[in-house]
Amino acid sequence: DAGVTQSPTHLIKTRGQQVTLRCSPKSGHDTVSWYQQALGQGPQFIFQYYEEEERQRGNFPDRFSGHQFPNYSSELNVNALLLGDSALYLCASSLGSGSPSLTQYFGPGTRLLVL
Amino acid sequence: KQEVTQIPAALSVPEGENLVLNCSFTDSAIYNLQWFRQDPGKGLTSLLLIQSSQREQTSGRLNASLDKSSGRSTLYIAASQPGDSATYLCAVNTGGFKTIFGAGTRLFVKA
Repeated sequence: DAGVTQSPTHLIKTRGQQVTLRCSPKSGHDTVSWYQQALGQGPQFIFQYYEEEERQRGNFPDRFSGHQFPNYSSELNVNALLLGDSALYLCASSLGSGSPSLTQYFGPGTRLLVL
Repeated sequence: KQEVTQIPAALSVPEGENLVLNCSFTDSAIYNLQWFRQDPGKGLTSLLLIQSSQREQTSGRLNASLDKSSGRSTLYIAASQPGDSATYLCAVNTGGFKTIFGAGTRLFVKA
């Protein structure tokens, strides 16, 4: 059983560019959450997708957007990249029955460097 | 606004020592609390999940306790091993779909 997978593993972009990160949830999971983890910090919640809709969002600007596909996989898009967007981007999947009591399973992350 | 703090930020111990990692949160109205392990440059691995109605959870050499009224949780690691070296993260869920993390404790166990 494959766990949560993310692609690419590493990415280098320049300021002002746009980037798309991808996530495939653990088998049987229908909910995907995205987190940004700066060096030496804990992950910060970006948003969560369930039933192809964003159902909660953290304190991130509109430059950060996402999408969930019918097969539950998800994309995170970041426009007009800033140097401060350099971070490890983590995807987590869970069952989206509405209960937050279930544990999240995290992927290995995508390391984004903005030059 | 919920804030999660972890103390100490870093810890170095000799192999075999029992140790305690601390996590505090500002709003006691949590739904659950979770401890994760993160190896350098890697994703997170869930260690223990404690529901708000529970006081503790155990898995192998790990024991996590939760005191909602005081806004505290501890992760106890017995008989530490070099393979336990990693960053340990505490995270709380306040009933929505957003999980709030602490900055973590970096643990180094010396052989």
